[in-house]
Amino acid sequence: TQLLEQSPQFLSIQEGENLTVYCNSSSVFSSLQWYRQEPGEGPVLLVTVVTGGEVKKLKRLTFQFGDARKDSSLHITAAQTGDTGLYLCAGADQAGTALIFGKGTTLSVSS
Amino acid sequence: DVKVTQSSRYLVKRTGEKVFLECVQDMDHENMFWYRQDPGLGLRLIYFSYDVKMKEKGDIPEGYSVSREKKERFSLILESASTNQTSMYLCASSFQQPGQGADTQYFGPGTRLTVL
Repeated sequence: TQLLEQSPQFLSIQEGENLTVYCNSSSVFSSLQWYRQEPGEGPVLLVTVVTGGEVKKLKRLTFQFGDARKDSSLHITAAQTGDTGLYLCAGADQAGTALIFGKGTTLSVSS
Repeated sequence: DVKVTQSSRYLVKRTGEKVFLECVQDMDHENMFWYRQDPGLGLRLIYFSYDVKMKEKGDIPEGYSVSREKKERFSLILESASTNQTSMYLCASSFQQPGQGADTQYFGPGTRLTVL
């Protein structure tokens, strides 16, 4: 069974701090996706990483895919209150149709 | 812009009632999905469909059924609602790229169902 473990489950920080969220598995994934979900809304895709070792940047967010394609991280530099939300990592199942989601990291950034 | 709409944002039903949750997407996506989201458990896949009239069980199909009579519409049915089906229900759709792995999923805003 493919599983994605996210850590930490909860993170509460002050504006301006840096943080990293981790997504780990014992399985190899062909790609991993990161989504953000705001209260009362559905998740929205932030990025897809495909190649082992790949690094993608989205303004203050940096996403990395592990060399072995079993893990990924999301680093936020100088967090802002607008970064508050639930961050989910997801990988394609073995059939390649459905996504397997981690349980998510709830981030709270206060001013 | 891809749009996935769900019939209700909030729904309150009684135990034993039959409940229909409707989802419509406007991007001609082949794949559609139903998840439930519960605190501490994340998103769990109930059913998905990769074509009209086709359906596949997800991780937690018990107590649910689905219907996909048209490409743009995917319905989740609770035949006899129970209190443990109180949850946030999320619908999603994606484009099918054969051999390319799972594509981006576009989610609706969710339906918060309470079963009393």
